[in-house]
Amino acid sequence: RKEVEQDPGPFNVPEGATVAFNCTYSNSASQSFFWYRQDCRKEPKLLMSVYSSGNEDGRFTAQLNRASQYISLLIRDSKLSDSATYLCVVGKDSSYKLIFGSGTRLLVRP
Amino acid sequence: DVKVTQSSRYLVKRTGEKVFLECVQDMDHENMFWYRQDPGLGLRLIYFSYDVKMKEKGDIPEGYSVSREKKERFSLILESASTNQTSMYLCASSTTLAVSYNEQFFGPGTRLTVL
Repeated sequence: RKEVEQDPGPFNVPEGATVAFNCTYSNSASQSFFWYRQDCRKEPKLLMSVYSSGNEDGRFTAQLNRASQYISLLIRDSKLSDSATYLCVVGKDSSYKLIFGSGTRLLVRP
Repeated sequence: DVKVTQSSRYLVKRTGEKVFLECVQDMDHENMFWYRQDPGLGLRLIYFSYDVKMKEKGDIPEGYSVSREKKERFSLILESASTNQTSMYLCASSTTLAVSYNEQFFGPGTRLTVL
């Protein structure tokens, strides 16, 4: 079983749609959680950290459910520029190492 | 802004060659990482360094070694390149300051092809 699991997609949605991605992780000792965005042939970049209380940044909302070991990302009012691969990332227990999911690909069409 | 640079964007080498991939960061970060990224497998950690001259094996260290002689520079070495090492190699760095919540900053990547 992978340590971080994501649906690879692709999710193909029209502009303006709301789309949600989910991710599950296996290590209950994980302390940090993130969503990274990776554009085609580019490096991953931090989209947002995920906190236990949930957090929102503009059109993006991230939620964490520690009991179910589940992380989600909601994108509202999708833009063409949101087309990318979204990586679910979990801290490896209390170390500085991160475990990356394989990513969920999002395609936003006009 | 944090900047992580890698010595080459594209590299083509022959089987058996010794390959050096260089990574430099300019933010005085303590931690540096080397990953490889392959379709469907995501990013896999090869080696990790938390201080100068300190290194720790990641999940897939076989066939690789690393060197960290200066804080800002972390090198990945393929002692004898093989075709199964054809991949995208990504370097990253992070600070130990708790405020960063372990965020890692990535270089642009080196796409290595071994023929």
